[in-house]
Amino acid sequence: DIQVTQSPSSLSASVGDRVTITCRTSQTIINYLNWYQQTSGKPPKLLIYAASNLQVGVPSRFSGSGSGTDFTLTISSLQPEDFATYYCQLTYSPRTFGQGTKVEIK
Amino acid sequence: EVQLAESGGGLVKPGESVRLSCTASGFNFNKAWMSWVRQAPGKAPEWIGRIKSEAHGGAIDYAAPVKGRVVISRDDSQNSLFLQLDSLKTEDTALYYCATDEAALANGFVFWGQGTMVTVS
Repeated sequence: DIQVTQSPSSLSASVGDRVTITCRTSQTIINYLNWYQQTSGKPPKLLIYAASNLQVGVPSRFSGSGSGTDFTLTISSLQPEDFATYYCQLTYSPRTFGQGTKVEIK
Repeated sequence: EVQLAESGGGLVKPGESVRLSCTASGFNFNKAWMSWVRQAPGKAPEWIGRIKSEAHGGAIDYAAPVKGRVVISRDDSQNSLFLQLDSLKTEDTALYYCATDEAALANGFVFWGQGTMVTVS
């Protein structure tokens, strides 16, 4: 199975900061990677699919990039509602999730 | 409006079985691929398995950690998805979600239910 390594596991940032989260896979997956946001007590919310496509309704400050084995989620200007935990996920089967990145207020 | 509602969770003893249901509305369930995902407290989500639509052969894939103990099925006439998990272990304690799975479109899990909690103790 393809292994997924997400980093960092947590980060502290301020409102307005640019934030970058990375996922690396053990084999090339072309662009078959999604990104989710999860806030406490709610199911994950799809933000980005196929590495760089913004899901309908997601603010444009979120963006995804990468292909092959290295992928990045970027929040261009962190907003108060963005403090949450973020996960990457393979579109291949098994649909493995990354370990998560908790974005906390500095 | 798309809605997914899981049910069937509760407190179960190790070694017992649990059957969870997911009732869907607001979309063409019979055309949807569906997945089950679980999330233990404080942990990342863990994909359990996926069932394709009957139009795509109804194929089912399971995650390795639960393979052999899990069965996913669907009843399109009832807009329902099911998960049976046998020989429960304490590490199966988690919130169990159903979600629409748009892998056929290179997409992710767009719609999720609120989950049903299974506690094995």
